[in-house]
Amino acid sequence: DIQMTQSPSSLSASVGDRVTITCRASQGIRNDLAWYQQKPGKAPKLLIYSASSLQGGVPSRFSGSGSGTEFTLTISSLQPEDFATYFCLQHNTYPLTFGGGTKVEIK
Amino acid sequence: QVQLVESGGGVVQPGTSLRLSCAASRFTFNGHAMHWVRQAPGKGLECVATISYDGYRSAYTDSVKGRFTISRDNSKNMLYLQMNSLRPEDTAVYYCARDLGVGATLGVIDSWGQGNLVTVSS
Repeated sequence: DIQMTQSPSSLSASVGDRVTITCRASQGIRNDLAWYQQKPGKAPKLLIYSASSLQGGVPSRFSGSGSGTEFTLTISSLQPEDFATYFCLQHNTYPLTFGGGTKVEIK
Repeated sequence: QVQLVESGGGVVQPGTSLRLSCAASRFTFNGHAMHWVRQAPGKGLECVATISYDGYRSAYTDSVKGRFTISRDNSKNMLYLQMNSLRPEDTAVYYCARDLGVGATLGVIDSWGQGNLVTVSS
């Protein structure tokens, strides 16, 4: 199975900060990577797929980049509603595999 | 608004079986691949099974191969997960989830149910 390594596992940031989260795949996955946001007690929400395609209704402050084995999710200006846990998902090879998550907390 | 409603969870003993169901509505069910994703308490996400839109192809994560079976009934807009030989490490919230692709499996999950807790404990 493809292993997805996400970093950092947690971070503290302030409203208005630029935040970057990284996901590394154990082998090349082209641009077959998605990003999700999850809040406590809720199902995940799709933010980005195919590395950089923004899902409908997702604010433009979220962006994704990368290909092959290295990917990033960037939040350009952190908003109060963005404090959550973020997961990456490789959708290149079955079984689909997720990163371990990055918890974004208020500084 | 896509609707996915899971049922069938609960507390079971190790070695027993359980079947999860997911009722899908408000979209063309037979056009989308479907997934079961689980999340152990306080842990990350794991996609345990995927089934193609027509039900002819499926895939499983290694830890459930030979024990879990994903199936669907497109005439009833229903997705199932048959779980046999359950282990304590199968304890998790199980989500029914829709694939973004239409007529093809993209592997991108774009809609999720509310989740259903399965607890395996003696």
